[in-house]
This record gives sequence, structure tokens and C-alpha cells, in this order.
Amino acid sequence: NAGVMQNPRHLVRRRGQEARLRCSPMKGHSHVYWYRQLPEEGLKFMVYLQKENIIDESGMPKERFSAEFPKEGPSILRIQQVVRGDSAAYFCASSPQTYTGELFFGEGSRLTVL
Amino acid sequence: AQSVSQHNHHVILSEAASLELGCNYSYGGTVNLFWYVQYPGQHLQLLLKYFSGDPLVKGIKGFEAEFIKSKFSFNLRKPSVQWSDTADYFCAVNVYNNNDMRFGAGTRLTVKP
Repeated sequence: NAGVMQNPRHLVRRRGQEARLRCSPMKGHSHVYWYRQLPEEGLKFMVYLQKENIIDESGMPKERFSAEFPKEGPSILRIQQVVRGDSAAYFCASSPQTYTGELFFGEGSRLTVL
Repeated sequence: AQSVSQHNHHVILSEAASLELGCNYSYGGTVNLFWYVQYPGQHLQLLLKYFSGDPLVKGIKGFEAEFIKSKFSFNLRKPSVQWSDTADYFCAVNVYNNNDMRFGAGTRLTVKP
């Protein structure tokens, strides 16, 4: 009974490299959310996706960041040309199509930019 | 835009002390309210939720929260905390039937044994 799976759990990149974070939602869930948690700060909403659609990306920086949730495979959060300020924990959550109000979270991916 | 405010950044209590963590939101429509908890090294998990009905909701591990509509508040309480309650607590809000959920900045609770 797998929950939300995120990988990698830890990722180290040098400035200017690309980071790709993957999230497999719980079985039967069709909605995926990405949040960023900076040190000493709370969860900041980034993007909300359904299969093949971005529903709300109002929390995502306009440049260098992108997200997708293809018909097959995990959701991917992509950060191009990473900078030190991108160092954070990135959490993915999922929910079913039918509204229940509850999000189910993965254990997060911690990105460190050197 | 809707927002969620948590008043306390870090709360330190001794075991058996009573706990109240504040949460206010700024959305005037019908909302659903949540408290999530993140224990050290673990993922976030739901503590309790309010959709409608009795404004005093009870969650796991002896936690409860009260929805006061006139104050746009949803404070979390526990009569007697334990060392194992040490964690980060996040208040969250979303609009009825909308999966878009927004979180507060979180409150770190440290309970001294």
C-alpha cells in the first residue's frame, strides 16, 4: 500500500545545473501538488496539476521552474540553472479526483545547491 | 488571495502543559480547515479537519481545534502535551470542493521532558 513516493530524497547540484524531482502519487490519485519548504519557513504552494494539465501554477517562479504530470509516469518538477536560493525541501502531495479535502504527502526531496 | 497566518513561530512547553496554537485565514467564502503535523524526519500527516457542523473538531492523539467563523480562526489545542508531540504544526485552508490548499508558515512545538 504505497503512499506518495518522491525521489530522489536528496539531490546535490552545482550552480547552473538542472534538478529534476519526481513524484508518484498514491494509487488512484489524479491530483498532484508541489510545495517548497525553505529553512525556517513554512510550506509554500508552487503548483497544482492533474493528469496532463496544470491547474494552478501561481506559486511557481516564472523562470527556470516547470512542472508536468504526464498521462503515464510520475509528476516531475524541473529546475533549470539552479542557484543557491533553490536549496530547499520540495514536497509533493496527492489527492483523489473526488474531493476529500485531505492531501497525502511524500517524504520530500531535499535539494542542495553548492 | 487567500492566506493563512500562524501567530507563533516556535513554542516551547514542558510536558503536561496545555497547548494552543493560533491560526487565522483571510478568505471570506466557505472554507475547509486543516491541521497537519510533521514529526521529525517524517512526512506531513493530517491531524484533524473541519468541513461543517460542530465547530469543535477532535483529531488524533488528543488534539482538538475550534472553528470560530466570526474571527476567521481555527486554533489547535491540547490539554496536556507530551514529549512525543514535538513536531512542526501547519494550519491549512482550502475553498470548499477545491483541492487547492494553502498552508501557514508552521509552528514548531518543542516539548521538554
